[in-house]
Amino acid sequence: AQSVTQLGSHVSVSEGALVLLRCNYSSSVPPYLFWYVQYPNQGLQLLLKYTSAATLVKGINGFEAEFKKSETSFHLTKPSAHMSDAAEYFCAVSERGNNRLAFGKGNQVVVIP
Amino acid sequence: DVKVTQSSRYLVKRTGEKVFLECVQDMDHENMFWYRQDPGLGLRLIYFSYDVKMKEKGDIPEGYSVSREKKERFSLILESASTNQTSMYLCATLDRGAGQPQHFGDGTRLSIL
Repeated sequence: AQSVTQLGSHVSVSEGALVLLRCNYSSSVPPYLFWYVQYPNQGLQLLLKYTSAATLVKGINGFEAEFKKSETSFHLTKPSAHMSDAAEYFCAVSERGNNRLAFGKGNQVVVIP
Repeated sequence: DVKVTQSSRYLVKRTGEKVFLECVQDMDHENMFWYRQDPGLGLRLIYFSYDVKMKEKGDIPEGYSVSREKKERFSLILESASTNQTSMYLCATLDRGAGQPQHFGDGTRLSIL
């Protein structure tokens, strides 16, 4: 069964510093991969997705993620954190031919002024 | 844009009550999902539906049932609410096609007293 690991439930980053959120997955074949963001009292919003095109994927709000098959990873980055990036971030994976998503436990990002 | 509407943002019910959570989508998507979200546990799939009157159990179906009589509406039912069902409930939809992302409603925060 597919699974997703996100380490570090809470991540603190200084305003203007690099944001790096790690995601590792287990899947028998290259899956579809997603990053979602959740602002307080809202649902999940898609940041970006990987579906086997370019391995470096650009998303909204200046975020990007790189698919590395050899490392089974899909880490999320943003060069310079902004106060508005404070939110919870979820990595999710689905296997091809399967509509179900498996989610990581999430990273709560705090941006320090 | 896909719109997924959950009927209540906040709901307070009593132990033993039968509780209905409603989700409506406006994009004719075949697949609909119900998740619960708890701190530190991420999102866990309760039930999903891939067509009208069709349903499948997710990872944590105990204590829940669902109904999908029309394509646009997917209801989650707590047959006899218990305090351990206090949680945030999220509905999502998914269009057909490889690598499509799920689209989420804003969630219902349910408290069982």
